[in-house]
Amino acid sequence: EAGVAQSPRYKIIEKRQSVAFWCNPISGHATLYWYQQILGQGPKLLIQFQNNGVVDDSQLPKDRFSAERLKGVDSTLKIQPAKLEDSAVYLCASSLVPSSTDTQYFGPGTRLTVL
Amino acid sequence: QKEVEQDPGPLSVPEGAIVSLNCTYSNSAFQYFMWYRQYSRKGPELLMYTYSSGNKEDGRFTAQVDKSSKYISLFIRDSQPSDSATYLCAMSAMGFKTIFGAGTRLFVKA
Repeated sequence: EAGVAQSPRYKIIEKRQSVAFWCNPISGHATLYWYQQILGQGPKLLIQFQNNGVVDDSQLPKDRFSAERLKGVDSTLKIQPAKLEDSAVYLCASSLVPSSTDTQYFGPGTRLTVL
Repeated sequence: QKEVEQDPGPLSVPEGAIVSLNCTYSNSAFQYFMWYRQYSRKGPELLMYTYSSGNKEDGRFTAQVDKSSKYISLFIRDSQPSDSATYLCAMSAMGFKTIFGAGTRLFVKA
């Protein structure tokens, strides 16, 4: 079974530029999560999708971050404009169902450096 | 106060040692407790999952939950160099998002 795919793996941009990350979840997984993991911290949930609807985006900085999941499969996360404090690893995860008990499978992440 | 506190380490042990990793938490509503392992430049992977209080064993790994003390532990027996990674505790409850600890970096020396 193929895992969660993310691209790009690494991205370096200057502040105020825009950037987009892509995620392809495990086939059949209805729930998709985007996490931000700052160096030395645990992952923090940015947004959770159930199919193509948003379940939780309470910690998404909506003035600069946006995310979509068209057709309930792939998802993109965008930052515009980027700030220095956005430097982090952006992890995508998926699970079969949106239950707190269901296993989340993580992708390798996209490491973003904002200069 | 953070919802989940975890000592970041690093923790360095010789091969074969018993490792103890711990987290404390403040939200008594948490019911589901997880340990994830994260290798360098990889995403976290679920290692152990426990519901409510008690112990759970899986091979060399044992997870313990003490809800009365709001304290969870992961024990690794006969530690191997391949166990060198960052270990993240995580917890949630029905209708709650999963909250992760900061992770403890573990180094097992051959």
